[in-house]
Amino acid sequence: LAKTTQPISMDSYEGQEVNITCSHNNIATNDYITWYQQFPSQGPRFIIQGYKTKVTNEVASLFIPADRKSSTLSLPRVSLSDTAVYYCLVGGFTGGGNKLTFGTGTQLKVEL
Amino acid sequence: DSGVTQTPKHLITATGQRVTLRCSPRSGDLSVYWYQQSLDQGLQFLIQYYNGEERAKGNILERFSAQQFPDLHSELNLSSLELGDSALYFCASSPRPGDNEQYFGPGTRLTVT
Repeated sequence: LAKTTQPISMDSYEGQEVNITCSHNNIATNDYITWYQQFPSQGPRFIIQGYKTKVTNEVASLFIPADRKSSTLSLPRVSLSDTAVYYCLVGGFTGGGNKLTFGTGTQLKVEL
Repeated sequence: DSGVTQTPKHLITATGQRVTLRCSPRSGDLSVYWYQQSLDQGLQFLIQYYNGEERAKGNILERFSAQQFPDLHSELNLSSLELGDSALYFCASSPRPGDNEQYFGPGTRLTVT
């Protein structure tokens, strides 16, 4: 599994767009990039997943450059309830099983 | 609500004891994963089952074991408990064995005294 690096923490204000970048220099050809959100004492929640270019869903966008060595999770117009830890994971689909490796994540704090 | 259920929500027990944590996956999901989250270790993958068979193993101690039953629910057994086993234990499920998109349950908080 590719090692990922992301900022330990970020601060923002309500209504702003937040971009969290994840570095994954040794991403493999069949690896996908997946982001999770976790609130204290709750299980992680799947946000978005992509392979290349841009993916958008109702809560976030994921930007992946052509070389795929990094990715950026974009949260539009954050609110206080977006305060959480965000994890970037890189891994491939394997029929033999998948071990998701969670790093330390990025603690996002949103203030008024 | 992810659709994954875990029982019990909280568990307090003494060192040396044995406990069983239970997980019911989302309807239709065949794959179940177990994770341990402690303050000093972060979220660690323990083990994965797919349709009753073990598929992947992570940092699971020999004192821990798991199984997935024909009705697809899973149990994680922790024995000879130590203080360091105190943690949140999460179960997750997905439709296929290799999914990166997993749905996590609310967790079981285990406290070993």
